[in-house]
Amino acid sequence: GAGVSQSPRYKVAKRGQDVALRCDPISGHVSLFWYQQALGQGPEFLTYFQNEAQLDKSGLPSDRFFAERPEGSVSTLKIQRTQQEDSAVYLCASSLGWGPGARNYGYTFGSGTRLTVV
Amino acid sequence: GNSVTQMEGPVTLSEEAFLTINCTYTATGYPSLFWYVQYPGEGLQLLLKATKADDKGSNKGFEATYRKETTSFHLEKGSVQVSDSAVYFCARGGYSTLTFGKGTMLLVSP
Repeated sequence: GAGVSQSPRYKVAKRGQDVALRCDPISGHVSLFWYQQALGQGPEFLTYFQNEAQLDKSGLPSDRFFAERPEGSVSTLKIQRTQQEDSAVYLCASSLGWGPGARNYGYTFGSGTRLTVV
Repeated sequence: GNSVTQMEGPVTLSEEAFLTINCTYTATGYPSLFWYVQYPGEGLQLLLKATKADDKGSNKGFEATYRKETTSFHLEKGSVQVSDSAVYFCARGGYSTLTFGKGTMLLVSP
């Protein structure tokens, strides 16, 4: 597609519920990133995929967070047993480049999924 | 670790005023530097970037120069418009991902 598409746009979850957030990157983009943006803050890195390989998951805040990209295109971020502190906008970005090349190609961001845990 | 520090907002200006939003970064390695803009209810959009020292990124009247000696990448615009009202994020490109500052809200009044 023309841009990075994320769904749903908004999600309200009850505390303890599991959620799955979807990201459709730009076709052919090798790198895919997930970020978490709390209200009034800058995006914080969660995890990075190069094709189907998850090369960096150092930003995932707990083992309740899990991400996958099984065929190297669409990615899903899953949060188990949601807590109120998980409320944030979850951003997905993709890049044609990989490794150091990603920053030279640039990153295209989706509009994000706003998760509210009540 | 890698970090980016940018001035706190909101920055409130009248239309046609001069804009500066300060940004400094940690000097580890040779990062690329970016400014992203986020309009209300929208995702992040790349505004400009610079990949090496002394490079100047520019777009839509905005400029920023990669200053290695001061580890800075300040955003400037000579004459802001109401439509420039948004949140601006400075970011540092590491090995494979971006580290963002906390963002600076710009409010431009007619």
